[in-house]
Amino acid sequence: SQTIHQWPATLVQPVGSPLSLECTVEGTSNPNLYWYRQAAGRGLQLLFYSVGIGQISSEVPQNLSASRPQDRQFILSSKKLLLSDSGFYLCAFGEWGSYNEQFFGPGTRLTVL
Amino acid sequence: AQKITQTQPGMFVQEKEAVTLDCTYDTSDPSYGLFWYKQPSSGEMIFLIYQGSYDQQNATEGRYSLNFQKARKSANLVISASQLGDSAMYFCAMRGNAGGTSYGKLTFGQGTILTVHP
Repeated sequence: SQTIHQWPATLVQPVGSPLSLECTVEGTSNPNLYWYRQAAGRGLQLLFYSVGIGQISSEVPQNLSASRPQDRQFILSSKKLLLSDSGFYLCAFGEWGSYNEQFFGPGTRLTVL
Repeated sequence: AQKITQTQPGMFVQEKEAVTLDCTYDTSDPSYGLFWYKQPSSGEMIFLIYQGSYDQQNATEGRYSLNFQKARKSANLVISASQLGDSAMYFCAMRGNAGGTSYGKLTFGQGTILTVHP
């Protein structure tokens, strides 16, 4: 069966520090991968998506970047965090060629102080 | 551009009763999909149900059903026989034309907090 992992679960970082959030998927090949951010009490906003290794598309201009070094690994990064980067970050995947399901990881709660 | 509107910030329901959570959408894509997710206080997003724009019948999954009215552009979630464990935030979302450049990207509404009373 397919599973998706994210870590860390919680992170508190000072402004100006770097960030690396990791997401891995098991049980499927060549998945579509997505990073979403959720502000407190709000809906999710798509940040990045990837349809293959090394293929990254950004949805909104921001202080963050994403990379996909392996088929089932998706990384969200920042060189210098801003206060506005605080939020709940969720990784999701969909099976290649199927757009009728999208499954989410447990999320990372990031607080920038 | 796609837009999802959930007009109910909060809803209350008595245990064992049915409840309808509203969702309206706007898109110019000829083909699209509609999703409902449940987010408990733990934060995880749990996939509940999916409806394709060309599906002839309304989707059902156990106690969840999607009341899809294409002409009205609405995709309401109906939860039958509510349980205390149904208390959570519920999100409606949509994806655009899979054959185009949407690649399954989801646009979410603002959510509805459902509280089930015993």
